Amino acid sequence: NAGVMQNPRHLVRRRGQEARLRCSPMKGHSHVYWYRQLPEEGLKFMVYLQKENIIDESGMPKERFSAEFPKEGPSILRIQQVVRGDSAAYFCASSAGLATLHEQYFGPGTRLTVT
Amino acid sequence: DQQVKQNSPSLSVQEGRISILNCDYTNSMFDYFLWYKKYPAEGPTFLISISSIKDKNEDGRFTVFLNKSAKHLSLHIVPSQPGDSAVYFCAAPGGNEKLTFGTGTRL
Repeated sequence: NAGVMQNPRHLVRRRGQEARLRCSPMKGHSHVYWYRQLPEEGLKFMVYLQKENIIDESGMPKERFSAEFPKEGPSILRIQQVVRGDSAAYFCASSAGLATLHEQYFGPGTRLTVT
Repeated sequence: DQQVKQNSPSLSVQEGRISILNCDYTNSMFDYFLWYKKYPAEGPTFLISISSIKDKNEDGRFTVFLNKSAKHLSLHIVPSQPGDSAVYFCAAPGGNEKLTFGTGTRL
């Protein structure tokens, strides 16, 4: 059973460009969480999605950031007009269902560098 | 507002000895706690958890202790092994089970 997949593993963008980060949850999992880890900090919650629905986006910056989890395909975290402060490791985690939401399985992360 | 705190950024322990990693929390609504282990360039992996109805949970070399009155939990690793070298995060699920993480302790 494949684990959580994230791609790309490393992404370099210039200021002002767009970054697209993809997350494929574990097979059978329909709940996806995105977290961001800034250097020397813990992971911070960004957004929680189920298929075709954003459930909780309380951790998402109000501008430039968006997320989706379509019926088919991976979840996408999109950052428009990136700035240097967006440089971080972005992790997604998936969970099987409401009874086990706290059992989150993490992907390897995407390391975004903004130059 | 740091609701989950790990005040020791790093810890050094000899092989075979006990490692004790500490975590404090401020939100009394937390009723479940998890420890994750993270290697460089990898995502966190679940290690052990504890419900607030317990004060101890053991899994092999890993034991987590919870002191609700002090809002404190600790992870004990006995005996410590070189492969245990990693960053350890404590975390607690809040609304919608989104996890609040501490800042980590590098063992």
